[in-house]
Amino acid sequence: DAKTTQPPSMDCAEGRAANLPCNHSTISGNEYVYWYRQIHSQGPQYIIHGLKNNETNEMASLIITEDRKSSTLILPHATLRDTAVYYCIVRVVNAGGTSYGKLTFGQGTILTVHP
Amino acid sequence: DGGITQSPKYLFRKEGQNVTLSCEQNLNHDAMYWYRQDPGQGLRLIYYSQIVNDFQKGDIAEGYSVSREKKESFPLTVTSAQKNPTAFYLCASSLGLYSNQPQHFGDGTRLSIL
Repeated sequence: DAKTTQPPSMDCAEGRAANLPCNHSTISGNEYVYWYRQIHSQGPQYIIHGLKNNETNEMASLIITEDRKSSTLILPHATLRDTAVYYCIVRVVNAGGTSYGKLTFGQGTILTVHP
Repeated sequence: DGGITQSPKYLFRKEGQNVTLSCEQNLNHDAMYWYRQDPGQGLRLIYYSQIVNDFQKGDIAEGYSVSREKKESFPLTVTSAQKNPTAFYLCASSLGLYSNQPQHFGDGTRLSIL
């Protein structure tokens, strides 16, 4: 799976949009981008995923650049409860035959939302 | 509500003892996974299962064992051969091993050594 690079930490004011970047310059054509977040002492929570089109759900938006080498997770109106570690993961989906693309969690970005 | 239930939330192991962590899902998912998380680190894959009665070793399977006798259950046993078992253990499930649909996680079991 392609390696991702995220800033170690970011701050955001409550009520403002939080934009979390992720670089995945070595991504290949059959790799999806997934975003998870983890609040201390809880399991990772799935947020959103995409292949090449921008995606939106009730939690967030995912913007993937045209060359797919980077993406941005957008939390439109951050709240204090969005303070967490955010992980950007690229994962190959069915590379062919029986190849299984596992999820590989890196260090992530610690997002702190302040009042 | 559909989800993944891990129990217990906290577990203590004595030296030389095997302990079993429970993972149950009611999402009707075929694939299930076990991860280990150490402080300040990412998740590492221990075992995964594509379907009932089938499972494969992940990156750090030594000292662990699993079974998959029912679709909804994937228990993990931490054996006495695992010399550094203190960690946060996470179970996950997904529709299928090769699907692009995401893995969903339980809330974990924190294992400590007495």
